[in-house]
Amino acid sequence: EAGVVQSPRYKIIEKKQPVAFWCNPISGHNTLYWYRQNLGQGPELLIRYENEEAVDDSQLPKDRFSAERLKGVDSTLKIQPAELGDSAVYLCASSLDSWQGNTGELFFGEGSRLTVL
Amino acid sequence: SQQGEEDPQALSIQEGENATMNCSYKTSINNLQWYRQNSGRGLVHLILIRSNEREKHSGRLRVTLDTSKKSSSLLITASRAADTASYFCATNTGTASKLTFGTGTRLQVTL
Repeated sequence: EAGVVQSPRYKIIEKKQPVAFWCNPISGHNTLYWYRQNLGQGPELLIRYENEEAVDDSQLPKDRFSAERLKGVDSTLKIQPAELGDSAVYLCASSLDSWQGNTGELFFGEGSRLTVL
Repeated sequence: SQQGEEDPQALSIQEGENATMNCSYKTSINNLQWYRQNSGRGLVHLILIRSNEREKHSGRLRVTLDTSKKSSSLLITASRAADTASYFCATNTGTASKLTFGTGTRLQVTL
């Protein structure tokens, strides 16, 4: 069974340019997460989807970040315009339905490493 | 913000030795999970321990949970060079399906 697939693996852009990351979760996983991981730090949640609905986007910088999950499967995370501080690894993860808030194992993709010059 | 904090931040041991990492958190949890991340890769789930459990084993891994102290520990026995990675604890809290990661412990296992 294929794992979580992300693309691109690496992206180098100049500041003020737009960038988009794509994620294909594991088949059957209704919950999808986007995390950002700065160098030497743990992942920080940007947005969580339950099927097509963004149920937690409180940490998403909405002035420049946007995300969508069409048909409750693939997801795209966009940054426009990018700033120097956006350089990080963007991780996508998926999981099966949770029950009363109990989240089980998350399956992560390999991440998309963004460098903003 | 990050709920968990691992200790130590970095750990260097020789192959065959045991490695112990600790995680402290701030609020009540539903469960606590440990993940491993090899350099430049995604995170891989290792083990999950529920709030009503005190100890759990998986192969060479042993996890303990002390909810009264809001802390957990991960023990890797008979470490191997392939265990070199960063290890993160993650807490599942509240009624939302939210998983919050700690700052990580970088483990280096030398031959």
